[in-house]
Amino acid sequence: QVQLVQSGAEVKKPGASVKVSCKASGYTFTHYVIHWVRQAPGQRLEWMGWINAVNGNTKYSQKFQGRVTLTTDTSATTAYMELSSLRFEDTAVYYCARESQYNRATLTLNYWGQGTLVTVPS
Amino acid sequence: QSALTQPASVSGSPGQSITISCTGTSSDIGAYDYVSWFQQHPGKAPKLMIYEVNNRPSGVPDRFSGSKSGNTASLTISGLQTEDEADYFCSSYTSSNTPFVFGTGTKVTVL
Repeated sequence: QVQLVQSGAEVKKPGASVKVSCKASGYTFTHYVIHWVRQAPGQRLEWMGWINAVNGNTKYSQKFQGRVTLTTDTSATTAYMELSSLRFEDTAVYYCARESQYNRATLTLNYWGQGTLVTVPS
Repeated sequence: QSALTQPASVSGSPGQSITISCTGTSSDIGAYDYVSWFQQHPGKAPKLMIYEVNNRPSGVPDRFSGSKSGNTASLTISGLQTEDEADYFCSSYTSSNTPFVFGTGTKVTVL
C-alpha cells in the first residue's frame, strides 16, 4: 500500500534552516508529483510547492520563493523540503502529499504523510 | 494570493444535510474545474473527499457530493453522521503565480 512517512519533529532557532523528509513506498516513486502543505496551529492549510518526481521540475508558492527548496532522492524514494531563514511564524505542521494521477499537478492529494511539527520559538 | 472564503462553522443534526460554500474569483474557482475538498479530524492529516469539483475518490461515502456555480464551489453532506464532525477545506487551481490556494476552513459540528 502507498505510504508517505515523514521525519520527526524539529525545534529550530530563528534564522536557522530545517529539512523535512518524506519517505515514499508502495508505488513507483518517479511517476507522481509530491506537494508540500503546511498548517500553522489552528490555521488553514497553506500550499508551499510541488516537485515532479518524474523529471525533478518544481513550482513554489510566491510566498516562499527564495526560502524553500524541494528535492528528491529517487534512489531512496524520498522527497525533501528545506525551509531557510526560519521565523516564529513558520511554526507549523508540514505535510507531504502525493497526487493521485501520473505526472499531474492538480492538488488531487489522496495520500498524505503524517505531518512534521516544526517549532521556531519566539 | 488570498485564501478562498468559507464559513467558519456549519452545524446540523444527525441525518440532516448541510452545505459548505467556498467562494473564490474568476481567476480560480470560476476558471478551472480543479476544485478539491479535504476533511481533517483533530491532530490528523487531511483526507481527500472530492476532486475536480464533483468526483469522489474510492472509499468516500456517496453522501458527500460537490458542485460549482460561477466563482463558488460547494460541498454537501447528506445524512450527516457523527463521524463527519471535522474541519473541511476547499482548494482550487489558480491562474496566479502561486497555482494553488486553500480555503479558510469550515468546522462542521454534529449536534
